[in-house]
Amino acid sequence: EAQLVESGGGLVKPGESLRISCEASGIIFSNAWMIWVRQAPGKGLEWVGRITSKTHGGTPDYATPVSGRFTISRDDSKDTLYLEMNSLRSDDAGVYFCSTVGWDIGDCNATRCQTFYFMEVWGKGTTVTVSS
Amino acid sequence: DIQMTQSPSSLSASVGDRVTITCRASQNISNYLNWYQQNAGKAPKVLMYAAGTLQKGVPSRFRGSGSGTEFTLTVTSLQPEDFATYYCQQSYRLPYSFGPGTSLDVK
Repeated sequence: EAQLVESGGGLVKPGESLRISCEASGIIFSNAWMIWVRQAPGKGLEWVGRITSKTHGGTPDYATPVSGRFTISRDDSKDTLYLEMNSLRSDDAGVYFCSTVGWDIGDCNATRCQTFYFMEVWGKGTTVTVSS
Repeated sequence: DIQMTQSPSSLSASVGDRVTITCRASQNISNYLNWYQQNAGKAPKVLMYAAGTLQKGVPSRFRGSGSGTEFTLTVTSLQPEDFATYYCQQSYRLPYSFGPGTSLDVK
């Protein structure tokens, strides 16, 4: 059974850095595209960023509010995804979830097929608190 | 970035009721639309992708439809475990933005 376990959350002061982790089991992690999502206390879900598998370039993409401050990386030898967060602000506080990217193929035309991506397996989350 | 909105923001209903949630995108996203369910204190769970394709294991009382900029999620006969918060998400273009959520609670 696929399982993701986040860790590394905690209390930091504004302006400080923190690295959180997401360890995978029950999947071929090196093939997995991975996503980070966060949820501020009492608020909705916010997409943070995505990293593709190394065979697809291993490229990270970020949401606008975190671009330039957060870095997503992966260590396939450890089946682990990371989120390095710098210059943390109070509005970065919340629960951070990692998930695998599921996909399915839809309709095709002469040149391409639709590919639908969704967040398939989720961890339980780790809590980041930013306060002086 | 593509902005997603949902209505209503909250909804009260009873077991056995039929409810519908609407999600709108700020631009045409074809049918690149996912729905998630989140129970309090838990991680979200994907219900549907491609606007209307049920994820494996999701009961058929959940139905999705729509294309372009307007989408709906309907639950045809509410069960006790369905009282939760529902989010739409577009997967048309990065960043894959979520709607603000619709909280469904017991009347």
